[in-house]
Amino acid sequence: EVHLVESGGGLVQPGGSLRLSCEATGFIFIDYWMAWVRQAPGKGLEWVANIKPDGSEKFYVDSVKGRFTVSRDTAKNSLYLQMNSLRVEDTALYFCARGPGSGSYYYYFDYWGQGALVTVSS
Amino acid sequence: EVVVTQSPATLSVSPGEGATLSCRASQSIIGNLAWYQQKPGQAPRLLIYGTSTRATGIPARFSGSVSGTEFTLTISSLQSEDFAVYYCQQYNKWPLTFGGGTKVEI
Repeated sequence: EVHLVESGGGLVQPGGSLRLSCEATGFIFIDYWMAWVRQAPGKGLEWVANIKPDGSEKFYVDSVKGRFTVSRDTAKNSLYLQMNSLRVEDTALYFCARGPGSGSYYYYFDYWGQGALVTVSS
Repeated sequence: EVVVTQSPATLSVSPGEGATLSCRASQSIIGNLAWYQQKPGQAPRLLIYGTSTRATGIPARFSGSVSGTEFTLTISSLQSEDFAVYYCQQYNKWPLTFGGGTKVEI
């Protein structure tokens, strides 16, 4: 059974940094694109970043480019999101999600974690 | 950026009734559209991908279709567990974008 478990959320001041982790189990991690999707309190879903199975390609929403970095560690079956220069508007629940298998470019998300809450406030 | 617009924002229905949710993209996305269901305090769940293909374990009362540029999620007979917020997502172009959601309430 596929499980995605996020960790690393918390309260941080504007301009600060935080690193989210997502541990994946129940599937062959290296075979799938992975993604981060966020949801501000009471708001809708916003895609943040995708990373290719081998980590060679990464895509970001414009609002986080240059500040956030997505990465993955195959040995640890883990996905990461390094968030720097955080802003109040980055406050959200951050979901880890599984994308398509390698060789596919249909970027919908079939499994999601429960999310990690990031609060940016002074 | 492909802007995805969902309507209505809120849909009030009774159990047993049908519901039709709409999703419109600002440009052609071919058939690259997915639908998700999200209940309070839970992660989204994939319902439909490729416009009309149900995800694993999704009941047949959920169906997806398209007419021109308007994508539709139809729930044929609402069960109590179907009251939730529904989002559509296009994955034809970067950045991936979601609609604002439709809340289906009693």
